[in-house]
Amino acid sequence: DAKTTQPTSMDCAEGRAANLPCNHSTISGNEYVYWYRQIHSQGPQYIIHGLKNNETNEMASLIITEDRKSSTLILPHATLRDTAVYYCIVRVARGTGGFKTIFGAGTRLFVKA
Amino acid sequence: DTEVTQTPKHLVMGMTNKKSLKCEQHMGHRAMYWYKQKAKKPPELMFVYSYEKLSINESVPSRFSPECPNSSLLNLHLHALQPEDSALYLCASSQTGVSYGYTFGSGTRLTVV
Repeated sequence: DAKTTQPTSMDCAEGRAANLPCNHSTISGNEYVYWYRQIHSQGPQYIIHGLKNNETNEMASLIITEDRKSSTLILPHATLRDTAVYYCIVRVARGTGGFKTIFGAGTRLFVKA
Repeated sequence: DTEVTQTPKHLVMGMTNKKSLKCEQHMGHRAMYWYKQKAKKPPELMFVYSYEKLSINESVPSRFSPECPNSSLLNLHLHALQPEDSALYLCASSQTGVSYGYTFGSGTRLTVV
């Protein structure tokens, strides 16, 4: 299974962009990169995913390098409510119709006023 | 309806008890998942159901018994648990296929005494 590596923690000032890096150097050609976040004691929340093109939605932007070995999640204007653990995941197909989403350790983002 | 509903939210059970966790979604998702999360750790995959059939079992002990009675419901039957099984149990659902994000419930916090 492709492994992801993320910084343990990061700080960001409120109102500034938060750039969260992720390394996935063993990713295969058909594996997607997903980002989720988990606010304390809640279930993880889907943010965004991509294969090789950059993606943007109402929550964030995802920048994937051309070689697909790393990506960056960008929260354009971080707020205090964005304080959470952010997980970068490579989704793996296994079994008959089964897909495994394996969470790594994640990055704990602290947004400070 | 865009939610995954888990009940109960909290459960305390003795080591000789039998209890069940329930998960429900009405988004038409045909894949459903159970995760276990210990404090300050990422979620760990337990089971994957695809089209109501068990697709992946991540070597979970038999004291945890999943059941998918229909496309909207997922149960986790618990019997003879140990105190170390105390954790947050998360249910998720998704469309089948590698390019769809998961929707997670808010979890059941289980305490085994």
